[in-house]
Amino acid sequence: EAQVTQNPRYLITVTGKKLTVTCSQNMNHEYMSWYRQDPGLGLRQIYYSMNVEVTDKGDVPEGYKVSRKEKRNFPLILESPSPNQTSLYFCASSPLDSGNTIYFGEGSWLTVV
Amino acid sequence: AQSVAQPEDQVNVAEGNPLTVKCTYSVSGNPYLFWYVQYPNRGLQFLLKYITGDNLVKGSYGFEAEFNKSQTSFHLKKPSALVSDSALYFCAVRDGSSASKIIFGSGTRLSIRP
Repeated sequence: EAQVTQNPRYLITVTGKKLTVTCSQNMNHEYMSWYRQDPGLGLRQIYYSMNVEVTDKGDVPEGYKVSRKEKRNFPLILESPSPNQTSLYFCASSPLDSGNTIYFGEGSWLTVV
Repeated sequence: AQSVAQPEDQVNVAEGNPLTVKCTYSVSGNPYLFWYVQYPNRGLQFLLKYITGDNLVKGSYGFEAEFNKSQTSFHLKKPSALVSDSALYFCAVRDGSSASKIIFGSGTRLSIRP
């Protein structure tokens, strides 16, 4: 089954404790992206990647890092989480051709206390 | 630069009535336009897309959308709303002239009352 898998789905952590949210897709997609969803702000793009070893900042990259060492994986790293990073995070992927549908993971609820 | 606007935070419609969720866009090249739906505690699900061809696009669950190039709009419509259509709807745009990132609107919450 074609899918985008995120882990963990739910996490409560403390300020400053490094964490990684993993994202994996099994569709051989070139394009992958991370979004955060906050009430009233819709989906804001954090980082995206057009292919292996190619990453670019989205609209809200501060406080986040990503890597794309393998085509299927695109982890989101919070080196020193802060409470303003409490949010719902989505990973997504699609083929590079812009006409293709983008597929989303189920989301990761992150709370930083 | 690409952008997309959903001017209404919330749309309220009675069951059985037609519904419209508005979306306008800005893109330098050819617009590829998408609608997604998000049910509570779920990820986003694809509804429909416009790439080229007929301006009226039909999608899942009886939804359709009309591409209007002159008004740079891509409004989502359904002739007869169901209570189960209540959800959060997102419009998105990609620049079709080159491989590009996808930009989402802020979302519109659709509430269908019985």
